Amino acid sequence: QSVLTQPPSVSAAPGQRVTISCSGINSNIGKNFVSWYQHLPGTAPKLLIYDNNNRPSGIPDRFSASKSGTSATLDITGLQTGDEGDYYCGTWDTTLSAGGVLFGEGTKVTVL
Amino acid sequence: QVQLQESGPGLVRPSQTLSLTCTVSGGSISSEDYYWNWIRQHPGKGLQWIGYIYYSGNTYYTPSLKSRIIISIDTSKNQFFLKLNSVTAADTAVYFCARGVRGDWGSYRWTDSWGQGTLVTVSS
Repeated sequence: QSVLTQPPSVSAAPGQRVTISCSGINSNIGKNFVSWYQHLPGTAPKLLIYDNNNRPSGIPDRFSASKSGTSATLDITGLQTGDEGDYYCGTWDTTLSAGGVLFGEGTKVTVL
Repeated sequence: QVQLQESGPGLVRPSQTLSLTCTVSGGSISSEDYYWNWIRQHPGKGLQWIGYIYYSGNTYYTPSLKSRIIISIDTSKNQFFLKLNSVTAADTAVYFCARGVRGDWGSYRWTDSWGQGTLVTVSS
């Protein structure tokens, strides 16, 4: 199955900023919208961003995202200890042999 | 606010069939606007999409598991189901059910609600 590549981990001090990249190919990110998910320990994954750069109601504007070509980026500013967890990008892949919903490998965010 | 809850055996013997139920509350599983997904997470790994079902019964499965899975739905009970046969230790994972948003022309847009997940261990 196709893979969306994310860095295994990122870290920063409280109040600082982290950026998480998500790299794909034309058949997935290149042709489809990207969403982002937060998975905190012991909880259900939560939608952070949909349609490349839109926040659902209740998601603070500290979380923002963008997409360009076959890559996407999630920014978290004003980092808080409660942000520690795993973050995944997601999209659809149109490849016949490997199509469907696709998630990134996941990035662990650590607040130093 | 829709809620999803997975249920089923936590232990399955190798070569047997894994069977899970997802019960949806706070929203109708018969809505034309959503797909109903199964997603899993192997220990220490990322999320792997398994497949989805639409209220009409149409399904879409990940190619790597397609030969072993059946996803079905019971709209009268607001539930959908996963069956994964011929399981091995490699199928040990936390299994999530989740709701996906259906866009124009049936496109899959994003996954907006998730269950808490249920750990299924494959072991003799």
